[in-house]
Amino acid sequence: EDKVVQSPLSLVVHEGDTVTLNCSYEVTNFRSLLWYKQEKKAPTFLFMLTSSGIEKKSGRLSSILDKKELSSILNITATQTGDSAIYLCGGAGSYQLTFGKGTKLSVIP
Amino acid sequence: DAGITQSPRHKVTETGTPVTLRCHQTENHRYMYWYRQDPGHGLRLIHYSYGVKDTDKGEVSDGYSVSRSKTEDFLLTLESATSSQTSVYFCAISEFAGAANEQFFGPGTRLTVL
Repeated sequence: EDKVVQSPLSLVVHEGDTVTLNCSYEVTNFRSLLWYKQEKKAPTFLFMLTSSGIEKKSGRLSSILDKKELSSILNITATQTGDSAIYLCGGAGSYQLTFGKGTKLSVIP
Repeated sequence: DAGITQSPRHKVTETGTPVTLRCHQTENHRYMYWYRQDPGHGLRLIHYSYGVKDTDKGEVSDGYSVSRSKTEDFLLTLESATSSQTSVYFCAISEFAGAANEQFFGPGTRLTVL
């Protein structure tokens, strides 16, 4: 059975802080690792990672995959209150995407 | 935004009644998925479809059935709803499986079973 574990489950930071969210996976026929952001609605896509060691960036967000360690991290620099959300990590196998429980990030002014 | 709609958006029903949720897409994507999201569990896959009339079970399929008679529609049926099926249900679509497996999510349906 595929398994994805995220840590921490919740995190409270002040605006301007840098945060690192962790994701580890055990996925049969692993293809890719995906990150989503979920505010009070549907998850929205952030990154898809397929190659180890290659960082993907979008503004203040970046992510990298380590296939040797079966893990990924999501970094957010200079956090803003608008970054408050649940961040979901998913491991994609042949057909299915298995999600972790998510990390709830709260950014306080 | 990907063209995905779900109906109804909210539903309250009683234990033992049948319920059907609909997911409709305008993207002509081959793959469609039903997830449920519960506090402390994250998103869990119920069923998925890899083409018209081609479906398979996910992690939490007990008590649910699905049908896909057209590319654009994927129906989720609770034959006899139970309180444990109170949840938020998300439909998702993807163009590819395997290596390019980015999924786009619909707005969700909040189902309450009394």
